[in-house]
Amino acid sequence: EAGVAQSPRYKIIEKRQSVAFWCNPISGHATLYWYQQILGQGPKLLIQFQNNGVVDDSQLPKDRFSAERLKGVDSTLKIQPAKLEDSAVYLCASSHLPKQFFGPGTRLTVL
Amino acid sequence: GESVGLHLPTLSVQEGDNSIINCAYSNSASDYFIWYKQESGKGPQFIIDIRSNMDKRQGQRVTVLLNKTVKHLSLQIAATQPGDSAVYFCAESGNTPLVFGKGTRLSVIA
Repeated sequence: EAGVAQSPRYKIIEKRQSVAFWCNPISGHATLYWYQQILGQGPKLLIQFQNNGVVDDSQLPKDRFSAERLKGVDSTLKIQPAKLEDSAVYLCASSHLPKQFFGPGTRLTVL
Repeated sequence: GESVGLHLPTLSVQEGDNSIINCAYSNSASDYFIWYKQESGKGPQFIIDIRSNMDKRQGQRVTVLLNKTVKHLSLQIAATQPGDSAVYFCAESGNTPLVFGKGTRLSVIA
């Protein structure tokens, strides 16, 4: 069974630039999550989708972060404009409740 | 606020010994707990989970123990191998999104 796919794996940008991350969940998983993982910490939930609807985005900094899941499959997470403190690994996960399965993550460095 | 935390940030064990990684949680409403293993440069990998109606669950070389009285969760790894070296996270949920602790780094000494 194929796992959660994410791209790119690494991204380096300058502050105030924009960046987008892509996620393809495990086939058949209706629930998709985006997490932010700062070095040395556990993942922190940014947004949760159920099919193409948002279930929880309470911790998403909506002034700069946006996410969508058109057609209820793939998802993109965008940051515009990026700040230095956005440097982190962005993890996508999908679930066949209650277990969540994670992708490899995208390591973002903001200079 | 309520959170999931770990007692020890690092743990070093000899190859072949058993490892015990501990986790304390404070949300008494949590009814689902899960352990993840995260190797460098990779996403968290599911290890084992347990619901609050159980106090023990075993997998291959791993056992999770849940003590609801003291809100404590532990992960036991039998015959620890070099490939077990990683950061281990516990996470909890109670009809809410998973909340992760900061993790314990397990180092296996050959």
